[in-house]
Amino acid sequence: QQQVKQSPQSLIVQKGGISIINCAYENTAFDYFPWYQQFPGKGPALLIAIRPDVSEKKEGRFTISFNKSAKQFSLHIMDSQPGDSATYFCAASNGDTNAGKSTFGDGTTLTVKP
Amino acid sequence: DAGVIQSPRHEVTEMGQEVTLRCKPISGHDYLFWYRQTMMRGLELLIYFNNNVPIDDSGMPEDRFSAKMPNASFSTLKIQPSEPRDSAVYFCASSFAPNGAGELFFGEGSRLTVL
Repeated sequence: QQQVKQSPQSLIVQKGGISIINCAYENTAFDYFPWYQQFPGKGPALLIAIRPDVSEKKEGRFTISFNKSAKQFSLHIMDSQPGDSATYFCAASNGDTNAGKSTFGDGTTLTVKP
Repeated sequence: DAGVIQSPRHEVTEMGQEVTLRCKPISGHDYLFWYRQTMMRGLELLIYFNNNVPIDDSGMPEDRFSAKMPNASFSTLKIQPSEPRDSAVYFCASSFAPNGAGELFFGEGSRLTVL
């Protein structure tokens, strides 16, 4: 049973455009929702994360929007740049019942065209 | 800090051989995770440790896989005997967050090819 569903699988955006990646989760006990960025040949690296006590978090061009009632969260990349081309993973975890056990989405391959 | 260090970066072996992957977590991190990444299955959690103790190994595919963490600075993932379907990138990650529900720091991965 997949607990975190991510879409789209791939995304092509023009330079300067907005990239939007969505994730939906099932387990209401999740309390930490990070996004990881992975470049070819590298391990995933944390990009931005949110906890369910806020509905939005912004760091530079990257914003997470969180909808607790819908059990959805999304990553928005404003003014997308070719250097943002990478694979993005959403994840979810719960610190109390499944300490350390992050569940990842399937990933979205983003291509930003110059 | 040097980050999570994995070795080898690339391993090519023949079916039936033993494979050992190694990981050095970030100093001070008390959680260590082994993930496997494939195109078909994405990122799968195989096993994780807290303070060197295995907490959840439900993701280990079968008895051919084993993992150990003899001390806070070293862990191994062993596959014996290896099979072509084990070909994947294996990532080690560590974390220091309370209850583990925090940022994962990944190594650069070990790309395994089993012929």
